Amino acid sequence: AQSVTQLGSHVSVSEGALVLLRCNYSSSVPPYLFWYVQYPNQGLQLLLKYTSAATLVKGINGFEAEFKKSETSFHLTKPSAHMSDAAEYFCAAGGTGFQKLVFGTGTRLLVSP
Amino acid sequence: DAGVIQSPRHEVTEMGQEVTLRCKPISGHDYLFWYRQTMMRGLELLIYFNNNVPIDDSGMPEDRFSAKMPNASFSTLKIQPSEPRDSAVYFCASSRQINSPLHFGNGTRLTVT
Repeated sequence: AQSVTQLGSHVSVSEGALVLLRCNYSSSVPPYLFWYVQYPNQGLQLLLKYTSAATLVKGINGFEAEFKKSETSFHLTKPSAHMSDAAEYFCAAGGTGFQKLVFGTGTRLLVSP
Repeated sequence: DAGVIQSPRHEVTEMGQEVTLRCKPISGHDYLFWYRQTMMRGLELLIYFNNNVPIDDSGMPEDRFSAKMPNASFSTLKIQPSEPRDSAVYFCASSRQINSPLHFGNGTRLTVT
């Protein structure tokens, strides 16, 4: 079965530090890839999406992700963390080879002053 | 665009009672999804509809769960009878296509005592 793996259920960074959240997918065909963010007591919101147009995708709030086919990865980065970035982040994959959107288990980002 | 609207936001009920959760998708979205989120199991897809027709209900945990979509603007998820282990946040989401970005509602937090 197709799957999405997020390494690390929790990631802690200091304010101003680089944010790196990891996501790998299993598919022989490059899928559509998404990152969603969930703030407390809210639903998931789309952060960015990859649909084969460009390997480096820019999203909202200064986040970006790079699609690397050779590594089957779609890691999320932000150069400088803000306190407001503290949330849970979900990677998801869909498209050919995926019958429906498949979510990873999520990574909770903690940002300390 | 009012977004996906779910009601109620919170529901507290006693074991054995019937619970009905409601969802209004975004107009023009052909797909509607019901998810359940818990600390232990993360985000689980329960069922999804295409043009009001249930396509995949393999995630529905038991016969106590049922979902309907009588028209393009309304869906319900019903639990009868409810049990304490059903306590979770239930999300409704909609999208234009099966692999288009999902738009989530703010969820219904269900507590069964």
